[in-house]
Amino acid sequence: GENVEQHPSTLSVQEGDSAVIKCTYSDSASNYFPWYKQELGKRPQLIIDIRSNVGEKKDQRIAVTLNKTAKHFSLHITETQPEDSAVYFCAASRNTGFQKLVFGTGTRLLVSP
Amino acid sequence: NAGVTQTPKFQVLKTGQSMTLQCAQDMNHNSMYWYRQDPGMGLRLIYYSASEGTTDKGEVPNGYNVSRLNKREFSLRLESAAPSQTSVYFCASSEAPVPEAFFGQGTRLTVV
Repeated sequence: GENVEQHPSTLSVQEGDSAVIKCTYSDSASNYFPWYKQELGKRPQLIIDIRSNVGEKKDQRIAVTLNKTAKHFSLHITETQPEDSAVYFCAASRNTGFQKLVFGTGTRLLVSP
Repeated sequence: NAGVTQTPKFQVLKTGQSMTLQCAQDMNHNSMYWYRQDPGMGLRLIYYSASEGTTDKGEVPNGYNVSRLNKREFSLRLESAAPSQTSVYFCASSEAPVPEAFFGQGTRLTVV
């Protein structure tokens, strides 16, 4: 089955810096790669996703890149703000008509003012 | 617009007790999922239901059972709780072709 590895487990940056979180996956048939943000005590919420037919996707300060050959994808956050502090999870799945997501272990991002 | 609703939000059980976690969604989604979240382990799939009338094991099904009561409701049952089942449990739902999974607010379960 699919296995998703995520690094780093914790990341501390200064406000305004960029943050990068990386994930690798094992199943070459996976074709959907979402990123979820989970604030303390809250539910995970989708912030951005990418499908395998696209190499990069941007949404304001966040972007995701995908390298299918190397089987890795990354989340990039620019101009970080304190409200970006949260745990971020990557995930991967095959599109089989429903999404059985396999998650990475999460990255705790701390943005200091 | 409730989305995915879980009950209860908090629960403390003694070892060996049983309980059922309830989940309901009002988005008319076909697929529903139960995940558990443990520190350093991310979210791991316990069971899922691709559509009404079907259920399948996920990554960590041992010690759990599920029931897809109807299209809206998907319950998770612990028949004999163990301390290793102390965790935060999340229910989620999705509907093809939109791939996004919507999560409930979670149930924090402690087994003593």
